[in-house]
Parts: sequence; C-alpha cells; structure tokens
Amino acid sequence: GQNIDQPTEMTATEGAIVQINCTYQTSGFNGLFWYQQHAGEAPTFLSYNVLDGLEEKGRFSSFLSRSKGYSYLLLKELQMKDSASYLCAVLDSNYQLIWGAGTKLIIKP
Amino acid sequence: TAGITQAPTSQILAAGRSMTLRCTQDMRHNAMYWYRQDLGLGLRLIHYSNTAGTTGKGEVPDGYSVSRANTDDFPLTLASAVPSQTSVYFCASSDTGAGTGELFFGEGSRLTVL
Repeated sequence: GQNIDQPTEMTATEGAIVQINCTYQTSGFNGLFWYQQHAGEAPTFLSYNVLDGLEEKGRFSSFLSRSKGYSYLLLKELQMKDSASYLCAVLDSNYQLIWGAGTKLIIKP
Repeated sequence: TAGITQAPTSQILAAGRSMTLRCTQDMRHNAMYWYRQDLGLGLRLIHYSNTAGTTGKGEVPDGYSVSRANTDDFPLTLASAVPSQTSVYFCASSDTGAGTGELFFGEGSRLTVL
C-alpha cells in the first residue's frame, strides 16, 4: 500500500529552527509537495520537490532524497504565525496525490 | 481574484437528506477535485475531474456524485447523507498543464450529519 508518515505534533520556540520530516512509500514518484494549513483554513502551497536536494524559499526550505523516500521541511526564525499544520503529499505514478495526516506545529514564545 | 468559492461554509444535515456542496473557480483551471478532511487522517480524494465533461472516482467515492458541465463549476452531491459523511470538504483546482500542478483550495465546507 501507499503510505506517508510524518509526526503528529511538534513544539518549537519563537525565533528557533524546526525540521518536519516526511517519509513515503508510494507506487512511483512524480514529486513531493508541502502545504501549510492554519486551523480552520484551507491548505496553501509551500513547496514542490521533484529532484534530490534542497530548495530554499525565504525562511522555508524543503529537502528531498528520492533514494531514501524522505523529505523534510525546514522553518527558520520561527514566528508565532507559523503555528499551523504542515501537510506532506506525494504525486504517485498515476499522478494522484497521496497525503500525509499532517504535522501540527505549535510555536511557544 | 476570488480563486475558488465554496458554499455553504457550514451545514447541519439530517441523515437521509440530500445535499449539494457548490464549488466555483475563476482561474480557468482544467482539473478540479473534491477532498474530505477528517481528524488524524490525510486529505482523501472523493472525486476528480481532469477537464470539463469528464469525472473520475477517487479514494472514497461511495455515497457521493459529481458533475462537470463546464470549466468553472464542480458540485458535489450527497444523495442520502449518513453520519460518517460528517467532515470538512475541500474543493481544489489545478492547472495541470503549467507549473508544478499545485492545488488551490477553497475555504472548505463543514458538514455535520445527524
């Protein structure tokens, strides 16, 4: 079966750095997405990785290792507004998105 | 730009009643999707449409139907609601012919079936 694993919840301190991991087992691979979802709101796109390596976008970076079936989202200089759920999703060989359950990130002052 | 508009934002429905959740996009995206989101689970695809006039079944299609008469609209119908259909429903669209194919989501429709 297809599976996306990510931690259920993480806590970090304002101004610090946090890394949210995602491991996947899917039928094929056509890219990995990270979305941010604030409580009660819609998910919004953060990043897309299809090749191995690190993609940096401001305070957020996303890393992919296809051979390990692994990705992480790195958030730097954490702000209170970064408190949200972070969803990992993989595009499989049929171009269907397989979603993880999301990681709820709690930022403390 | 409005993006994707869903209606209603929330609804309480008696079991056995029918309900249509509306979804309209103004981005001229070719693909549209309906997901449900339940606590502790990832987003699960109900139905999708790659282009106007075509639809397909997702992971959890039972009890739901969709239509795609034109590019902009993609309504989701529950013919006879059951309590297990209590969930938050998200409509999404993507321009699969350009960019990363990222999804743009509506604000969601919270449905409670009693």
